[in-house]
Amino acid sequence: GENVEQHPSTLSVQEGDSAVIKCTYSDSASNYFPWYKQELGKRPQLIIDIRSNVGEKKDQRIAVTLNKTAKHFSLHITETQPEDSAVYFCAPALSGTYKYIFGTGTRLKVLA
Amino acid sequence: GAGVSQSPSNKVTEKGKDVELRCDPISGHTALYWYRQSLGQGLEFLIYFQGNSAPDKSGLPSDRFSAERTGGSVSTLTIQRTQQEDSAVYLCASSGQGPSYEQYFGPGTRLTVT
Repeated sequence: GENVEQHPSTLSVQEGDSAVIKCTYSDSASNYFPWYKQELGKRPQLIIDIRSNVGEKKDQRIAVTLNKTAKHFSLHITETQPEDSAVYFCAPALSGTYKYIFGTGTRLKVLA
Repeated sequence: GAGVSQSPSNKVTEKGKDVELRCDPISGHTALYWYRQSLGQGLEFLIYFQGNSAPDKSGLPSDRFSAERTGGSVSTLTIQRTQQEDSAVYLCASSGQGPSYEQYFGPGTRLTVT
Protein backbone atom coordinates (compact mmCIF):
# COMPACT_ATOMS: atom_id res chain seq x y z
CA GLY A 1 0.00 0.00 0.00
CA GLU A 2 0.89 3.65 -0.18
CA ASN A 3 3.43 4.83 2.37
CA VAL A 4 3.36 8.57 3.10
CA GLU A 5 5.87 10.44 5.23
CA GLN A 6 6.13 14.09 6.14
CA HIS A 7 9.15 16.00 7.34
CA PRO A 8 9.66 17.71 9.63
CA SER A 9 7.07 16.65 12.20
CA THR A 10 7.33 20.04 13.91
CA LEU A 11 8.61 23.36 12.62
CA SER A 12 9.02 26.69 14.35
CA VAL A 13 9.79 29.81 12.36
CA GLN A 14 9.91 33.51 13.08
CA GLU A 15 7.13 35.60 11.65
CA GLY A 16 8.07 36.73 8.16
CA ASP A 17 10.37 33.78 7.50
CA SER A 18 9.63 30.96 5.05
CA ALA A 19 8.56 27.43 5.89
CA VAL A 20 8.95 24.29 3.81
CA ILE A 21 7.29 20.94 4.50
CA LYS A 22 8.12 17.85 2.48
CA CYS A 23 5.90 14.87 1.72
CA THR A 24 7.33 11.63 0.40
CA TYR A 25 5.13 8.91 -1.05
CA SER A 26 5.76 5.44 -2.36
CA ASP A 27 3.16 4.75 -5.04
CA SER A 28 4.32 6.01 -8.45
CA ALA A 29 0.70 5.79 -9.67
CA SER A 30 -0.30 8.71 -7.44
CA ASN A 31 -1.47 11.61 -9.57
CA TYR A 32 -3.06 14.15 -7.22
CA PHE A 33 -1.17 15.93 -4.46
CA PRO A 34 -3.11 18.13 -2.02
CA TRP A 35 -2.13 19.90 1.18
CA TYR A 36 -4.62 20.37 4.00
CA LYS A 37 -4.39 22.78 6.92
CA GLN A 38 -5.94 21.96 10.29
CA GLU A 39 -6.08 24.68 12.90
CA LEU A 40 -6.45 23.69 16.52
CA GLY A 41 -9.90 22.27 17.17
CA LYS A 42 -11.00 22.80 13.58
CA ARG A 43 -11.61 20.55 10.60
CA PRO A 44 -8.97 20.05 7.87
CA GLN A 45 -9.29 22.36 4.88
CA LEU A 46 -7.64 22.18 1.48
CA ILE A 47 -5.17 25.02 0.94
CA ILE A 48 -3.49 24.03 -2.31
CA ASP A 49 -3.22 21.05 -4.63
CA ILE A 50 -1.31 20.00 -7.73
CA ARG A 51 -1.73 17.35 -10.39
CA SER A 52 0.94 15.17 -11.90
CA ASN A 53 1.14 17.08 -15.17
CA VAL A 54 2.31 20.25 -13.40
CA GLY A 55 5.58 20.81 -11.55
CA GLU A 56 4.68 23.85 -9.49
CA LYS A 57 1.64 25.83 -8.44
CA LYS A 58 1.48 29.07 -6.51
CA ASP A 59 -1.33 30.86 -4.71
CA GLN A 60 -0.26 34.09 -3.04
CA ARG A 61 2.04 33.15 -0.16
CA ILE A 62 1.75 29.39 -0.60
CA ALA A 63 3.17 27.15 -3.29
CA VAL A 64 3.48 23.45 -3.95
CA THR A 65 6.26 21.82 -5.95
CA LEU A 66 6.22 18.25 -7.26
CA ASN A 67 9.07 15.93 -8.11
CA LYS A 68 7.43 12.80 -9.55
CA THR A 69 10.73 11.13 -10.28
CA ALA A 70 11.81 11.34 -6.66
CA LYS A 71 8.21 10.83 -5.44
CA HIS A 72 7.95 13.83 -3.20
CA PHE A 73 6.12 17.13 -3.11
CA SER A 74 6.62 20.14 -0.89
CA LEU A 75 4.57 22.93 0.61
CA HIS A 76 6.21 26.35 0.68
CA ILE A 77 4.86 29.20 2.78
CA THR A 78 6.54 32.59 2.44
CA GLU A 79 6.24 35.63 4.71
CA THR A 80 4.73 33.48 7.45
CA GLN A 81 2.15 34.98 9.77
CA PRO A 82 0.86 33.82 13.18
CA GLU A 83 -2.36 32.62 11.55
CA ASP A 84 -0.32 30.13 9.54
CA SER A 85 0.24 28.22 12.79
CA ALA A 86 -1.53 24.89 12.34
CA VAL A 87 -0.97 21.26 11.46
CA TYR A 88 -0.43 20.60 7.77
CA PHE A 89 -1.20 17.27 6.12
CA CYS A 90 -0.33 15.95 2.68
CA ALA A 91 -2.63 13.36 1.11
CA PRO A 92 -1.39 11.91 -2.19
CA ALA A 93 -4.18 10.16 -4.03
CA LEU A 94 -3.85 6.93 -5.94
CA SER A 95 -4.76 7.19 -9.59
CA GLY A 96 -8.24 5.89 -10.36
CA THR A 97 -9.29 5.29 -6.76
CA TYR A 98 -10.90 7.33 -4.05
CA LYS A 99 -8.49 6.20 -1.40
CA TYR A 100 -6.42 8.89 0.29
CA ILE A 101 -3.58 8.22 2.68
CA PHE A 102 -2.85 11.25 4.82
CA GLY A 103 0.65 11.99 5.99
CA THR A 104 1.45 12.08 9.69
CA GLY A 105 1.22 15.85 9.79
CA THR A 106 3.60 18.76 10.43
CA ARG A 107 2.92 21.13 13.28
CA LEU A 108 3.96 24.62 12.22
CA LYS A 109 4.38 27.31 14.82
CA VAL A 110 4.96 30.88 13.68
CA LEU A 111 6.56 32.94 16.41
CA ALA A 112 5.59 36.60 16.58
CA GLY B 1 -24.77 25.97 0.36
CA ALA B 2 -24.66 23.82 3.46
CA GLY B 3 -21.45 22.03 4.22
CA VAL B 4 -20.87 18.55 5.59
CA SER B 5 -22.61 18.01 8.90
CA GLN B 6 -22.08 15.34 11.52
CA SER B 7 -24.02 14.28 14.55
CA PRO B 8 -23.69 14.07 17.42
CA SER B 9 -20.88 16.55 17.93
CA ASN B 10 -19.92 14.82 21.16
CA LYS B 11 -20.69 11.35 22.42
CA VAL B 12 -19.73 9.83 25.74
CA THR B 13 -20.47 6.14 26.09
CA GLU B 14 -19.64 3.31 28.42
CA LYS B 15 -17.29 0.57 27.36
CA GLY B 16 -19.18 -2.25 25.71
CA LYS B 17 -22.03 -0.12 24.38
CA ASP B 18 -22.75 0.40 20.68
CA VAL B 19 -22.66 3.84 19.06
CA GLU B 20 -23.86 5.27 15.76
CA LEU B 21 -22.27 8.29 14.17
CA ARG B 22 -24.00 10.13 11.37
CA CYS B 23 -22.71 12.10 8.40
CA ASP B 24 -24.69 14.30 6.03
CA PRO B 25 -22.53 15.09 3.00
CA ILE B 26 -22.82 18.07 0.72
CA SER B 27 -25.84 17.56 -1.52
CA GLY B 28 -24.87 15.89 -4.77
CA HIS B 29 -21.47 14.67 -3.60
CA THR B 30 -21.01 11.09 -4.68
CA ALA B 31 -17.92 10.23 -2.67
CA LEU B 32 -17.98 10.05 1.13
CA TYR B 33 -15.11 9.27 3.48
CA TRP B 34 -14.71 8.38 7.14
CA TYR B 35 -11.50 9.08 9.06
CA ARG B 36 -10.47 8.72 12.67
CA GLN B 37 -8.18 11.21 14.42
CA SER B 38 -6.80 10.47 17.85
CA LEU B 39 -5.65 13.38 20.00
CA GLY B 40 -2.71 15.12 18.40
CA GLN B 41 -2.43 12.51 15.68
CA GLY B 42 -2.98 12.32 11.95
CA LEU B 43 -6.00 11.18 9.99
CA GLU B 44 -6.51 7.45 9.82
CA PHE B 45 -8.50 6.41 6.75
CA LEU B 46 -11.39 4.09 7.64
CA ILE B 47 -13.62 3.68 4.60
CA TYR B 48 -14.98 5.45 1.55
CA PHE B 49 -18.21 5.21 -0.38
CA GLN B 50 -18.74 5.80 -4.06
CA GLY B 51 -22.49 6.20 -4.19
CA ASN B 52 -23.82 3.54 -1.80
CA SER B 53 -20.96 1.17 -2.49
CA ALA B 54 -17.88 0.73 -0.29
CA PRO B 55 -15.26 -0.93 -2.52
CA ASP B 56 -12.52 -0.93 0.11
CA LYS B 57 -13.23 -1.76 3.74
CA SER B 58 -9.65 -2.63 4.61
CA GLY B 59 -9.20 0.50 6.71
CA LEU B 60 -11.80 -0.47 9.29
CA PRO B 61 -9.84 -1.29 12.49
CA SER B 62 -11.84 -4.37 13.44
CA ASP B 63 -15.08 -6.21 12.74
CA ARG B 64 -16.71 -4.10 15.45
CA PHE B 65 -16.72 -1.25 12.96
CA SER B 66 -19.22 -1.05 10.12
CA ALA B 67 -20.57 1.66 7.88
CA GLU B 68 -23.38 2.09 5.46
CA ARG B 69 -24.70 4.72 3.13
CA THR B 70 -28.21 4.92 1.80
CA GLY B 71 -29.70 6.86 -1.08
CA GLY B 72 -26.26 8.09 -2.03
CA SER B 73 -26.48 10.58 0.80
CA VAL B 74 -26.43 10.05 4.57
CA SER B 75 -23.90 7.66 6.03
CA THR B 76 -23.68 6.04 9.45
CA LEU B 77 -20.60 4.60 11.10
CA THR B 78 -21.44 2.04 13.76
CA ILE B 79 -19.06 0.86 16.44
CA GLN B 80 -20.20 -2.18 18.39
CA ARG B 81 -19.00 -3.11 21.86
CA THR B 82 -16.95 0.07 22.16
CA GLN B 83 -13.49 -0.04 23.74
CA GLN B 84 -11.49 2.76 25.31
CA GLU B 85 -9.10 2.77 22.37
CA ASP B 86 -12.02 3.77 20.14
CA SER B 87 -11.96 7.21 21.77
CA ALA B 88 -11.12 9.73 19.06
CA VAL B 89 -12.62 12.32 16.75
CA TYR B 90 -14.40 10.73 13.81
CA LEU B 91 -14.34 12.92 10.74
CA CYS B 92 -16.49 12.58 7.66
CA ALA B 93 -15.68 14.19 4.31
CA SER B 94 -17.35 14.33 0.94
CA SER B 95 -16.17 15.02 -2.57
CA GLY B 96 -18.28 15.76 -5.58
CA GLN B 97 -16.10 15.41 -8.60
CA GLY B 98 -14.76 11.93 -8.40
CA PRO B 99 -11.33 10.78 -7.33
CA SER B 100 -8.49 13.24 -7.00
CA TYR B 101 -10.55 16.24 -5.98
CA GLU B 102 -10.95 18.33 -2.86
CA GLN B 103 -12.50 16.73 0.18
CA TYR B 104 -14.81 18.84 2.32
CA PHE B 105 -14.71 17.83 5.96
CA GLY B 106 -17.41 17.89 8.57
CA PRO B 107 -16.81 19.21 12.10
CA GLY B 108 -16.35 15.71 13.47
CA THR B 109 -17.83 13.67 16.29
CA ARG B 110 -15.75 13.44 19.44
CA LEU B 111 -16.26 9.98 20.91
CA THR B 112 -15.22 9.26 24.47
CA VAL B 113 -15.48 5.72 25.79
CA THR B 114 -15.36 5.52 29.57
